[in-house]
Amino acid sequence: DAGVIQSPRHEVTEMGQEVTLRCKPISGHNSLFWYRQTMMRGLELLIYFNNNVPIDDSGMPEDRFSAKMPNASFSTLKIQPSEPRDSAVYFCASSLDSPPYSEQYFGPGTRLTVT
Amino acid sequence: AQSVTQLDSQVPVFEEAPVELRCNYSSSVSVYLFWYVQYPNQGLQLLLKYLSGSTLVKGINGFEAEFNKSQTSFHLRKPSVHISDTAEYFCAVRKNLETSGSRLTFGEGTQLTVNP
Repeated sequence: DAGVIQSPRHEVTEMGQEVTLRCKPISGHNSLFWYRQTMMRGLELLIYFNNNVPIDDSGMPEDRFSAKMPNASFSTLKIQPSEPRDSAVYFCASSLDSPPYSEQYFGPGTRLTVT
Repeated sequence: AQSVTQLDSQVPVFEEAPVELRCNYSSSVSVYLFWYVQYPNQGLQLLLKYLSGSTLVKGINGFEAEFNKSQTSFHLRKPSVHISDTAEYFCAVRKNLETSGSRLTFGEGTQLTVNP
């Protein structure tokens, strides 16, 4: 299995621009998680999908952030407009939330720099 | 709600020395416990997990952890570390309930630095 796939691996953009991060979960997994990691705040859960439905988006910082999961094999996290404080590494993770259950598997992350 | 406390933010050790990374948790329900490792510029990778059964759990790369229910701890140990073990280590918990999903609560992380 290829594992969780994220693209792009690195993104540099200017303040005010729209940024879209992409994630392909492991085939057969039915839960997907978006995290943000910074030195200041550590690892934060932004949003959690189960069977393509958002279950908990309480970690989404503000309305500039939105996430979608149109099908079981693809999810996006969009920031519009982007701000310098959004600079971070964004991780996607997936898991199987039904028997036999599994731990979360993380992708390699997207390093976002907003100038 | 659950919470996880990793008692040391940084642990420097010399190569071939033993190491223990401490993790305490609190939860009103029984939990599953995990240790993840993050090498520089990489995602998190599962080291080991406790779901049930033996309280001593062995993982990859020679690491092991012991679940202590009375002390609500899940400390990670390795008898002899290598330079390549330098990484950040995260302790995490999830509720042991079928209805709770696989959402994890992570600790703040412990940076292990192994020096020659």
